[in-house]
Amino acid sequence: DIVMTQSPSSLAVSAGETVTINCKSSQSLLYSGNQKNYLAWYQQKPGQSPKLLIYWASTRQSGVPDRFIGSGSGTDFTLTISSVQAEDLAIYYCQQYYDTPPTFGGGTKLELK
Amino acid sequence: QVKLLQSGAALVKPGASVKMSCKASGYTFTDYWVSWVKQSHGKSLEWIGEIYPNSGATNFNEKFKGKATLTVDKSTSTAYMELSRLTSEDSAIYYCTPTYGLRGDMGWFAYWGQGTLVTVSS
Repeated sequence: DIVMTQSPSSLAVSAGETVTINCKSSQSLLYSGNQKNYLAWYQQKPGQSPKLLIYWASTRQSGVPDRFIGSGSGTDFTLTISSVQAEDLAIYYCQQYYDTPPTFGGGTKLELK
Repeated sequence: QVKLLQSGAALVKPGASVKMSCKASGYTFTDYWVSWVKQSHGKSLEWIGEIYPNSGATNFNEKFKGKATLTVDKSTSTAYMELSRLTSEDSAIYYCTPTYGLRGDMGWFAYWGQGTLVTVSS
């Protein structure tokens, strides 16, 4: 199975800051046939189901604010949240869909400083 | 809009089985694989397996083979997952979610049910 490793596991931020969450895969998620990275990002707030933010490593899901930016390629990926708002406090997960089974990172908890 | 309505919480005894449901609406049920994902308390997400409603074909995470059985009822656009020989390790929230992407059986999960909490306790 492809192992997804996220860092940090938790992050304390103040409103208005820019934060970066990292995700590293144990093998490349870049498919040479279409030059796409098979990686998604999710946000999960307490007591809620996960919500898709980004797929293809950088394509924002409809309705997701543009302060959420996905980047990276191959084995190293980043989710950047610019000007964090209180509503962004949640756990963030990366997920690979390059190979079966799809696997998730351990999560990064965004907390208020 | 896409909605996935899952069955309510279940309290089951060790060794027993539990069957949960996921009723889909707002999209063509038979066009998308439906995945099931496990989230143990305070933990990350684990993909259990998926079923293609049109044919009943399934794919499983090796870890859950023999534990989970997936079925569908096309007439009611409902997917089911049965978990057998339950232990405390099976206590978790279980989500259903259709798969989106270039390849039907692999992709991202754009819509999620509200989850079914299963508690295994004597």
